[in-house]
Order: sequence, then C-alpha cells, then structure tokens
Amino acid sequence: GNSVTQMEGPVTLSEEAFLTINCTYTATGYPSLFWYVQYPGEGLQLLLKATKADDKGSNKGFEATYRKETTSFHLEKGSVQVSDSAVYFCARTGSARQLTFGSGTQLTVLP
Amino acid sequence: NAGVTQTPKFRILKIGQSMTLQCAQDMNHNYMYWYRQDPGMGLKLIYYSVGAGITDKGEVPNGYNVSRSTTEYFPLRLELAAPSQTSVYFCASREAGQDYGYTFGSGTRLTVV
Repeated sequence: GNSVTQMEGPVTLSEEAFLTINCTYTATGYPSLFWYVQYPGEGLQLLLKATKADDKGSNKGFEATYRKETTSFHLEKGSVQVSDSAVYFCARTGSARQLTFGSGTQLTVLP
Repeated sequence: NAGVTQTPKFRILKIGQSMTLQCAQDMNHNYMYWYRQDPGMGLKLIYYSVGAGITDKGEVPNGYNVSRSTTEYFPLRLELAAPSQTSVYFCASREAGQDYGYTFGSGTRLTVV
C-alpha cells in the first residue's frame, strides 16, 4: 500500500541552524508529494509540493526535492528561526483520491 | 475567502451523548475529508467524499457517520460518544486532480468524559 515514513522527532535546533527532516515514501504509482506545517492550536497548512521526479518545491526558505531513485522528499532549510517551531508532516497522494500522511515531526527552534 | 470552516472549536461530551461536527467550504471543492489527530500521532482518515451524495469510509470509520447533501457541507456525526473518540478533528477539502493539496479547517477539539 501507500505509506510515508518521517524521521522520528522531536527535533531541537538553535536559531540559524540548518534543518533537515527526512521523508521517504512507498514507490507505488506516480504520487505527488507535499509538506504541511501545523502551528500550535491550528490546522495543517500546505508548505510546499512537488508533482514529478526531480521537481523542487520551495516556500518561505524551505525546500524539498522529489527523488524517485531514493523515494525521498526531505525537507531542508538553511537557517531556521524561532517562528519555524511547529509540527511538519510529509504526505503523498494515494490511490483513493486521498493523501497519506507521515506521523509528523515536532521542530523546536531555540533563540 | 473563508476556506474551510469548522464548528465548534471545542466541545466536551459525556459518554453516550451525540453531536455533529460541522464543516463548510466555500471553494466549490468536490473532495472533502474528515481526519482525527491523536496526541503525538499523525492523521487518520475517518470518512471522505468525492462529491455531493457520495461518501466512503476511511481508515477509522467506526463510531462515526457522514452525509454530503451539498458541495459545501460535510458534517461528521458521533452517535454514542466514547472516551476513545477524544481527539482533534480536522476537515479538509481539495480540488480534483492529484496535483492539488488539501485546505484544512482549524479543527475541533473534542473531549469525551
């Protein structure tokens, strides 16, 4: 079936540190891939997406590249800020017109 | 644009009570979804709909029901609340076509005591 695996959290970084959150997906079909962010007490917001192999999604300094050869879609940011503290979810499209989400990674950025 | 609107934001129910979680979207999206999010966990799909009059079960449908009489509204019904249904519930919608991501509501935090 379709599944998404994210790196275990929580992740704690100092401000201006480099961020990587790993995400891999099952290689069934030709999925679109997404990263969502959830700030405390809020719903999920779309952060970025990529719809085919080698596409790079980017937004607010975050980037992720669709790697078909490694079935990965790792999220990166060169210099995190305190305001980036949130839970990040990787997701892929599935067969039943729905998204399959990873379990989420809690990021805390310390000043 | 209001996007996806969920009501109420918070609710406490007693075991055995019933309630309806409301969800409305003003984007004319055909696809709508209900998820629950338990602490420290990802999202689990309860029910989804691909258009008015069409609904289908997701991963965890037991104890819930849905209806979709119009494009705009997709209410979730809990008939006999149980403590295991304590969770945060999110409604989402999207356009047809797999390139489109979801638009989420802000959630309903439900506690069953």
